[in-house]
Amino acid sequence: DAGVTQSPTHLIKTRGQQVTLRCSPKSGHDTVSWYQQALGQGPQFIFQYYEEEERQRGNFPDRFSGHQFPNYSSELNVNALLLGDSALYLCASSLAGSVNEQYFGPGTRLTVT
Amino acid sequence: GENVEQHPSTLSVQEGDSAVIKCTYSDSASNYFPWYKQELGKRPQLIIDIRSNVGEKKDQRIAVTLNKTAKHFSLHITETQPEDSAVYFCAASIRGSQGNLIFGKGTKLSVKP
Repeated sequence: DAGVTQSPTHLIKTRGQQVTLRCSPKSGHDTVSWYQQALGQGPQFIFQYYEEEERQRGNFPDRFSGHQFPNYSSELNVNALLLGDSALYLCASSLAGSVNEQYFGPGTRLTVT
Repeated sequence: GENVEQHPSTLSVQEGDSAVIKCTYSDSASNYFPWYKQELGKRPQLIIDIRSNVGEKKDQRIAVTLNKTAKHFSLHITETQPEDSAVYFCAASIRGSQGNLIFGKGTKLSVKP
């Protein structure tokens, strides 16, 4: 039973560039949430995807966008990268419906120089 | 806005002692409270959770208590072992969300042999 997977593991980008991160949910899960974890901080909710639509969004600018595919995998896109976007980006999967436990992937470490 | 405060930020105990981490939340609509353990460079792992209709939950050496009136919940680890050393995050469900979470800033637990 595959857990949550993310790619790539690490990424280095330059300010102003664009980046795409990928996530495959745990088998049987249909909902994907994305979080940003700055060094020494707790994860911060970016947005959630269900049925290929953004269902909820945290306090992040429009530079952050996403997509969910029919197989429930998801992408996070960040445009016009800023130095402050450097962080660990975590994907979490869960089942739709009422509040359920979320299982995290290993994350993508993004460094913006 | 919604907020979760976590204390202490660091905690050092001797092997075999107990450790207690406390969190308070602001959103009275929160109804799900998970705890995650994150080892250095690894993903957050769900170790225990509690829902608002329950006051206490135990799983071997780990227990969580919830006081809805006071809006606080705590993690208790008994008979600590060196492998318990990690950063622990509490979280609370966001009002009206489908499982999305707001996290505390974490507690770095060190268990000395």
